[in-house]
Amino acid sequence: QVQLLQSGAEVKKPGSSVKVSCKASGGTFNSSVIAWLRQAPGQGLEWMGGIIPFFGITNYAQRFQGRVTLTADESTGTAYMELSSLRSEDTAFYYCARAVGGVRGVMFDYWGQGPLVTVSS
Amino acid sequence: QSVLTQPPSASGTPGQRVTISCSGSRSNIGSNHVHWYQQLPGTAPKLLIYKNNKRASGVPDRFSGSKSGTSASLAISGLRSEDEADYYCAAWDDSLSGLFGGGTKLTVL
Repeated sequence: QVQLLQSGAEVKKPGSSVKVSCKASGGTFNSSVIAWLRQAPGQGLEWMGGIIPFFGITNYAQRFQGRVTLTADESTGTAYMELSSLRSEDTAFYYCARAVGGVRGVMFDYWGQGPLVTVSS
Repeated sequence: QSVLTQPPSASGTPGQRVTISCSGSRSNIGSNHVHWYQQLPGTAPKLLIYKNNKRASGVPDRFSGSKSGTSASLAISGLRSEDEADYYCAAWDDSLSGLFGGGTKLTVL
């Protein structure tokens, strides 16, 4: 059974960066595709991008280009999402999820718990 | 505003059949698979239907999906109280982006 365990909730100042981790267990991490999504409180889901850890291939949503960086550490089976230049509108739950079918897809069969990142002065 | 359009709310009584629609365009639903997610309050979304009409593991056959042209639908028959949740459709867009509908809040009366 695949499990994705994410880091905890964070409170950040506007203009700073946040890095959320996602540790995978129970599956083949390196051949997986890990996607990142977010959900503002009370709002819908938003796809941010995905990474294939083995190849380091990434695909980012255009609206986050230049502000989000997806990386992965194969040795620990951990994926990371770093979002910079934070603003209040970035306050959201940030989920990692295992994607089926490559970085160009939205079929996610396993999800992390989605920690809340709060951006506030 | 989401590119995939869903009704914001839907409702039904126990035992009824409810459908939730998802409308897109040729570049997303019209040329790619549609997936559906169920999100119970305070939890992460869960894959419900994948590739238009296939039920994910453990999903009861009360749930079914369909797609025609640039629209898709999720149907829930024999409605139960535990079906009360938010439902999201999702599809890849040929502009190289993942898209979600705005979500439909299902209330079981």
